[in-house]
Amino acid sequence: AQSVTQLGSHVSVSEGALVLLRCNYSSSVPPYLFWYVQYPNQGLQLLLKYTTGATLVKGINGFEAEFKKSETSFHLTKPSAHMSDAAEYFCAVSDRAGNTGKLIFGQGTTLQVKP
Amino acid sequence: EPEVTQTPSHQVTQMGQEVILRCVPISNHLYFYWYRQILGQKVEFLVSFYNNEISEKSEIFDDQFSVERPDGSNFTLKIRSTKLEDSAMYFCASSKQGAKLETQYFGPGTRLLVL
Repeated sequence: AQSVTQLGSHVSVSEGALVLLRCNYSSSVPPYLFWYVQYPNQGLQLLLKYTTGATLVKGINGFEAEFKKSETSFHLTKPSAHMSDAAEYFCAVSDRAGNTGKLIFGQGTTLQVKP
Repeated sequence: EPEVTQTPSHQVTQMGQEVILRCVPISNHLYFYWYRQILGQKVEFLVSFYNNEISEKSEIFDDQFSVERPDGSNFTLKIRSTKLEDSAMYFCASSKQGAKLETQYFGPGTRLLVL
């Protein structure tokens, strides 16, 4: 069975500092991996996804993530945090064993950005 | 930009009552999903729906739950007799196709509180 673990339910950084949100997955088949962001009172919005090909994936708002098979990780980074990045971030894997592309989520990480 | 909408944003109900949560997926999407997030827990898959049929459902999606696409635009989740443990945020999502690498677009959620 596939699963996702996000290390750290809350991460706090200063504005301008590096953002690193950790995600590890478990999958017996090559995974499809996603990062979603949820701003207050809004739906989950796709930041980026990895399916095949280049392991460094660039997304919206300056975020990127690197798929590392040897470490079963898909950590999300941004070189310089902005106040507007404060939100909840979800890592997810697509269940390749099921009939449809249902997503299996991690527990989420709340990012706080301090001025 | 097209988006998934959900109504109501909040609903409070008494235990044992029926509730219907409504979603309007993106108009040219063919696959529809419901997920839920109990406070402090992971976002969990409930059900996927395609071509007027359930494609896949989780063990959470028991006989108390049903989904319907009553017309060409709405997609509903009905909980027949609500329990305290049904209190959660319910997210609707849609995608153009059901492929497992396909992006799912999420609505803002309905927060259900069962008293």
